[in-house]
Amino acid sequence: SAVISQKPSRDICQRGTSLTIQCQVDSQVTMMFWYRQQPGQSLTLIATANQGSEATYESGFVIDKFPISRPNLTFSTLTVSNMSPEDSSIYLCSVEDGDRASQGSYEQYFGPGTRLTVT
Amino acid sequence: AQSVTQLDSHVSVSEGTPVLLRCNYSSSYSPSLFWYVQHPNKGLQLLLKYTSAATLVKGINGFEAEFKKSETSFHLTKPSAHMSDAAEYFCVVSDLDDYKLSFGAGTTVTVRA
Repeated sequence: SAVISQKPSRDICQRGTSLTIQCQVDSQVTMMFWYRQQPGQSLTLIATANQGSEATYESGFVIDKFPISRPNLTFSTLTVSNMSPEDSSIYLCSVEDGDRASQGSYEQYFGPGTRLTVT
Repeated sequence: AQSVTQLDSHVSVSEGTPVLLRCNYSSSYSPSLFWYVQHPNKGLQLLLKYTSAATLVKGINGFEAEFKKSETSFHLTKPSAHMSDAAEYFCVVSDLDDYKLSFGAGTTVTVRA
């Protein structure tokens, strides 16, 4: 299984500033995903990041607010721009591991998350 | 489009008694289903998964789930709850042709001594 680390683990930021979250995987993966978990809520997919192409954003999320980089097969960053208190959440990256084509062995692994508080 | 409904937002059990967490799904294709657990201030851990093999799936820590296509359900059970099972549990569905995971709202499990 893939081992995922995120930096920072938590941060407290002032409104109007930006924070870049890093996600590092211990193996090469094609698909990386960024999720948001608002306080007391479930997870919502922000975007899918493939190496070498633009990230694909879900409805309600835009590139100007959440720019994503995917420079190689083991690393990605998510920036939360021009933050407001409503951005206070846990941000998680995940990767898919396994052979989806055979439908027998695929699953997503999640990083430990970055807990962001915006004041 | 795929979606998941977790029928209980909160489940409280006594230590040593069975745990049942209910999940119904909607999927337009052959789904894969997962249960994840999130302990307080911890990351998400995969408990078990169903990906079109055996309908009764055994996972870690004594949990198991049964895929019932006729009922579009994937309920999670454990015969005997332990204090360490207190956590948030998420039922998740994914379609083969879509990398997105759709999460349920979550079920909070508390275990009474």
